[in-house]
Amino acid sequence: DAGVIQSPRHEVTEMGQEVTLRCKPISGHNSLFWYRQTMMRGLELLIYFNNNVPIDDSGMPEDRFSAKMPNASFSTLKIQPSEPRDSAVYFCASSPTGTNYGYTFGSGTRLTVV
Amino acid sequence: SQQGEEDPQALSIQEGENATMNCSYKTSINNLQWYRQNSGRGLVHLILIRSNEREKHSGRLRVTLDTSKKSSSLLITASRAADTASYFCATKQRAGSYQLTFGKGTKLSVIP
Repeated sequence: DAGVIQSPRHEVTEMGQEVTLRCKPISGHNSLFWYRQTMMRGLELLIYFNNNVPIDDSGMPEDRFSAKMPNASFSTLKIQPSEPRDSAVYFCASSPTGTNYGYTFGSGTRLTVV
Repeated sequence: SQQGEEDPQALSIQEGENATMNCSYKTSINNLQWYRQNSGRGLVHLILIRSNEREKHSGRLRVTLDTSKKSSSLLITASRAADTASYFCATKQRAGSYQLTFGKGTKLSVIP
């Protein structure tokens, strides 16, 4: 298995532009998570999907953020419009459903909004 | 919100020495996990210890858990330069919970 695949690896965009981050989880993993990592706040859970259904989006910072999972092998995180404070590394992770499993993380997307 | 707090924030050791990192948490847990993150990469799951376990080994890694003190430690024996990374503890609070809450990590530097 190629692991969790995220694209793009790096994204530089201007303030106000729309940004779309993509994730392909590991086949057979029913749980998918989007995290954001910054120096100040560490790793923050943005949204959690189970069986393609959003279960908890309480970590999504604002209405400018939205996430979808149209099928078991693909998820997107969209920011519209983007702002400089959205600059961070965004990680997607997947795991089998259940308590005693670790997460498999993708390599992340480093987003810079100028 | 941060559930786990790692200590120290940074650690620098010589190759061949042992490295010990600690994690404290605030509320009862179902399990505790340790992850490694190399610079510019995603997190890699190292080991999971359940609340009813006290110690677990995986290769050069040894994890202990003391639920009475709400703390865990990660020991890396005979460290190598390739162990240079940030190490995070993460807690899952109850059975059936999906929420894995991460600390801010310990940055380990192993000097060749």
